[in-house]
Amino acid sequence: NAGVTQTPKFQVLKTGQSMTLQCAQDMNHNSMYWYRQDPGMGLRLIYYSASEGTTDKGEVPNGYNVSRLNKREFSLRLESAAPSQTSVYFCASTDRYLSNQPQHFGDGTRLSIL
Amino acid sequence: AQSVAQPEDQVNVAEGNPLTVKCTYSVSGNPYLFWYVQYPNRGLQFLLKYITGDNLVKGSYGFEAEFNKSQTSFHLKKPSALVSDSALYFCAVRGSTLGRLYFGRGTQLTVWP
Repeated sequence: NAGVTQTPKFQVLKTGQSMTLQCAQDMNHNSMYWYRQDPGMGLRLIYYSASEGTTDKGEVPNGYNVSRLNKREFSLRLESAAPSQTSVYFCASTDRYLSNQPQHFGDGTRLSIL
Repeated sequence: AQSVAQPEDQVNVAEGNPLTVKCTYSVSGNPYLFWYVQYPNRGLQFLLKYITGDNLVKGSYGFEAEFNKSQTSFHLKKPSALVSDSALYFCAVRGSTLGRLYFGRGTQLTVWP
């Protein structure tokens, strides 16, 4: 039972490069989320998808775009990477929005922008 | 507006002693509260939740949490700490908008032998 799988695990980019972070879940969850984790700041929501076909901005969406490819997959794209986007990125999912069930997290993508 | 505060960046405790990691929250409506643990280079793992009912919630690995509505607190506790409990702990509250979680800044727990 894989849960939430994120690829890649590590990545180093140069300023201005683009890349896509991949996330897939095998729990048949409807809702998926992208967070970033920075030291001393907890986790901050970048984008979320309440259900297949919908996406919405979180509290720190600038510089990012997302795609809910299908029910399983939710990708995060950096169009022109900046050093301020150096962070650890986590994808999470839960069965549905407003669920009482916990969110399940992947192991993260550690991204460095030089 | 929803928010969570973890007033201690670090908590240090000796193995075998009880531990407490503090969390206070602000939320409109009924609070849905969660504790997660993060080990190095791993994602967040769910420990326990409070939705409704008993104020003392039991979770994984011997952890429990006490919900106090009047003090708007949800402190994580364990009667006897283990070295393997050393990790980063996050408290979170579920917002009313599409189930997003609001996280505290995290508390680094260190249990020394």
